[in-house]
Amino acid sequence: DTAVSQTPKYLVTQMGNDKSIKCEQNLGHDTMYWYKQDSKKFLKIMFSYNNKELIINETVPNRFSPKSPDKAHLNLHINSLELGDSAVYFCASTPTGGYTEAFFGQGTRLTVV
Amino acid sequence: SQQGEEDPQALSIQEGENATMNCSYKTSINNLQWYRQNSGRGLVHLILIRSNEREKHSGRLRVTLDTSKKSSSLLITASRAADTASYFCATDLAGNEKLTFGTGTRLTIIP
Repeated sequence: DTAVSQTPKYLVTQMGNDKSIKCEQNLGHDTMYWYKQDSKKFLKIMFSYNNKELIINETVPNRFSPKSPDKAHLNLHINSLELGDSAVYFCASTPTGGYTEAFFGQGTRLTVV
Repeated sequence: SQQGEEDPQALSIQEGENATMNCSYKTSINNLQWYRQNSGRGLVHLILIRSNEREKHSGRLRVTLDTSKKSSSLLITASRAADTASYFCATDLAGNEKLTFGTGTRLTIIP
């Protein structure tokens, strides 16, 4: 069984469109994250949710809106996509915030054309 | 800016040799972790070392932590082709509930 699953794995879309990426974890973890990995492989945290509550928002443009309907799910909605949004987006989860190992999804490669 | 800086950025060695990667960070930490990322895949946790630990082993992996120098190293012994991947250190900053990743080392094992 996949511990952290993201959909879709690949997403190609035009500038200006709105898209969503979904993430689900079946580990019973309390904390979930979204990370962005750029073309140089830099991994940067975007958001963190603990039990459906937003606890970290790393100065991400407000075109990005995370939503956590329950603690097992953390979705990422992106409005008005721009070329610079092209990257690989990773969802991750931990039992508690950052103090133990994180489990990552396989990533969503977003390409904006 | 990145909390962790890894060195070298890229490393190529012959299969069977040992590979050493280093990570430096800037502020006090609760723990430091190492992750592996195979091409096109997500990150996989390798090992966690707490701030009060100096060395930790897991199979062919050996991690050291020097909090006075704010640095860590990952040693992979008897490397295998399957070890080819990018390796990242990640720090859990004291008083901060997030993992911050380093810049990564791209390791290539030559068969």
